[in-house]
Amino acid sequence: NAGVTQTPKFRILKIGQSMTLQCTQDMNHNYMYWYRQDPGMGLKLIYYSVGAGITDKGEVPNGYNVSRSTTEDFPLRLELAAPSQTSVYFCASSYPGQGTDTQYFGPGTRLTVL
Amino acid sequence: DAKTTQPPSMDCAEGRAANLPCNHSTISGNEYVYWYRQIHSQGPQYIIHGLKNNETNEMASLIITEDRKSSTLILPHATLRDTAVYYCILNFGNEKLTFGTGTRLTIIP
Repeated sequence: NAGVTQTPKFRILKIGQSMTLQCTQDMNHNYMYWYRQDPGMGLKLIYYSVGAGITDKGEVPNGYNVSRSTTEDFPLRLELAAPSQTSVYFCASSYPGQGTDTQYFGPGTRLTVL
Repeated sequence: DAKTTQPPSMDCAEGRAANLPCNHSTISGNEYVYWYRQIHSQGPQYIIHGLKNNETNEMASLIITEDRKSSTLILPHATLRDTAVYYCILNFGNEKLTFGTGTRLTIIP
């Protein structure tokens, strides 16, 4: 299994541009998540999904959109990039069960908005 | 999820046991203690979790006090590759993890 894969690894955007961060998992996990991590800080949850067709906001959803049309894919969309969105973005997936939930993370996408 | 308190940084000599403390005095009865680590620039990696009993796996041991108000992650024989930020997280086993700033562990040769 490849686990959780993310593309691209790096990206530089100009203010106002849009882009989609891709995330794919091959573990048949029903839960998927998007986090962002600013320098020296912990991860903050942007959006999450408990299954295809179901998404919900996390702690910092403003400026982002998500969709979940398949179990495997959970893309994150930035519509109007702003410098405040400069961050490292991590996608994760899990299969909660029996009161426990272990999340598996991708390698991250490093985004700079200038 | 309840809050946790971890020291911001720790050093440990290579080959020694690394003991990382975590205080969680307001933990709820059905909250699990999870540990993740993040090696520089990589995605976080799950290490271990527990509810009441001590746990051990191939990576580490988790010791939870009887009153569950604190825990210790033990890396029995630390190597340079264990240098990372370690996060102690409380979770009910649902979908949301709340990451603090963790403990930056540096293994010294």
